[in-house]
Amino acid sequence: NAGVMQNPRHLVRRRGQEARLRCSPMKGHSHVYWYRQLPEEGLKFMVYLQKENIIDESGMPKERFSAEFPKEGPSILRIQQVVRGDSAAYFCASSPTGRDNQPQHFGDGTRLSIL
Amino acid sequence: AQSVAQPEDQVNVAEGNPLTVKCTYSVSGNPYLFWYVQYPNRGLQFLLKYITGDNLVKGSYGFEAEFNKSQTSFHLKKPSALVSDSALYFCAVRDIANSGYALNFGKGTSLLVTP
Repeated sequence: NAGVMQNPRHLVRRRGQEARLRCSPMKGHSHVYWYRQLPEEGLKFMVYLQKENIIDESGMPKERFSAEFPKEGPSILRIQQVVRGDSAAYFCASSPTGRDNQPQHFGDGTRLSIL
Repeated sequence: AQSVAQPEDQVNVAEGNPLTVKCTYSVSGNPYLFWYVQYPNRGLQFLLKYITGDNLVKGSYGFEAEFNKSQTSFHLKKPSALVSDSALYFCAVRDIANSGYALNFGKGTSLLVTP
């Protein structure tokens, strides 16, 4: 029973390049959440998606960041024209439904480094 | 607005002694509260949650937490610490009155259990 799978685990990009982070939720889970963890800080919510729908993107930066969760395949967090400040650990979580009382199950994250 | 405070950056305890990791919250409605643990270079693992009912909640690995509404606290406890409990612990809250999908995390508390 595989957990939440994120890839790559580590990603290095130069300033101005694009970063694509992938997340496959746990089997049977159709709700995906993305969080960002900066050094010495807790996780900050970015976006919440269901299949083919963005439900809440209140934590997403207004520019360069986008997310999708297509009908088939993993959820993708895309960062265009990366800058040094984008360096962080990006975590994906999933849950079977969006009900408030359910815990979210996290992947091991993608550590993004910007040169 | 909702927030979570973990007042201690680090907690040190000797193996075999009881441990407490503190968490206080501030929400406009009734909270759903969660504790997660993070080991180095890994994602967050769910420990326990408080939704409703008994104020003392039991979770994984012998951990428990006590919900105190008057003090707006949800401290994590374990009667006898193990060296393997050394990790980063995060408290999180969801404000159900505002239909928040996101988990709002504290900054984390580093627990060090010494032999």
